[in-house]
Amino acid sequence: GESVGLHLPTLSVQEGDNSIINCAYSNSASDYFIWYKQESGKGPQFIIDIRSNMDKRQGQRVTVLLNKTVKHLSLQIAATQPGDSAVYFCAALGPGYSTLTFGKGTMLLVSP
Amino acid sequence: EPEVTQTPSHQVTQMGQEVILRCVPISNHLYFYWYRQILGQKVEFLVSFYNNEISEKSEIFDDQFSVERPDGSNFTLKIRSTKLEDSAMYFCASSEGAGLEQYFGPGTRLTVT
Repeated sequence: GESVGLHLPTLSVQEGDNSIINCAYSNSASDYFIWYKQESGKGPQFIIDIRSNMDKRQGQRVTVLLNKTVKHLSLQIAATQPGDSAVYFCAALGPGYSTLTFGKGTMLLVSP
Repeated sequence: EPEVTQTPSHQVTQMGQEVILRCVPISNHLYFYWYRQILGQKVEFLVSFYNNEISEKSEIFDDQFSVERPDGSNFTLKIRSTKLEDSAMYFCASSEGAGLEQYFGPGTRLTVT
């Protein structure tokens, strides 16, 4: 079955630094991945997604990298701001065509 | 910007009671989902719903759970006889299609006493 895991439970950075959050997945058949941000007391907020036919996708201040060889996904946040402080989840599509399997989450703490 | 809404934000119920959690998905979306998140744990898939029927469900979604789209806008999750372990945040989500980005509501915190 699908499992999605995160390497670090907490990441502390200084404002202005670049942040990198990592994620590993187990199902090589997964072809769609999403990063979500969850602030305290709120639902997961879509950040960026990537399909397996891509290695990299960029958004506003965020970049997702996908390494299918080692089944690894990362989220890079440029010039991290205090408002970026939250728990970040990676999610993979599957098992099934409409379900998302979430990782445990990495808490990003940004200090001024 | 369109968003998924959920009511109530917090529901307290006694063990054995029935609860109904309500969601209004984004209006042009066709797929609807329920997920739950036990405090401090990861988000877990419960069920997906398309074309007025369940598309997929997880092992968590047993006979005590049911979903319904009673009208053109609402999507509900019913727990027939709540247990203490049903205490969690319940998130509704919707997407335009299968395999597309899912947008989540703010959640309903269910507390079973």
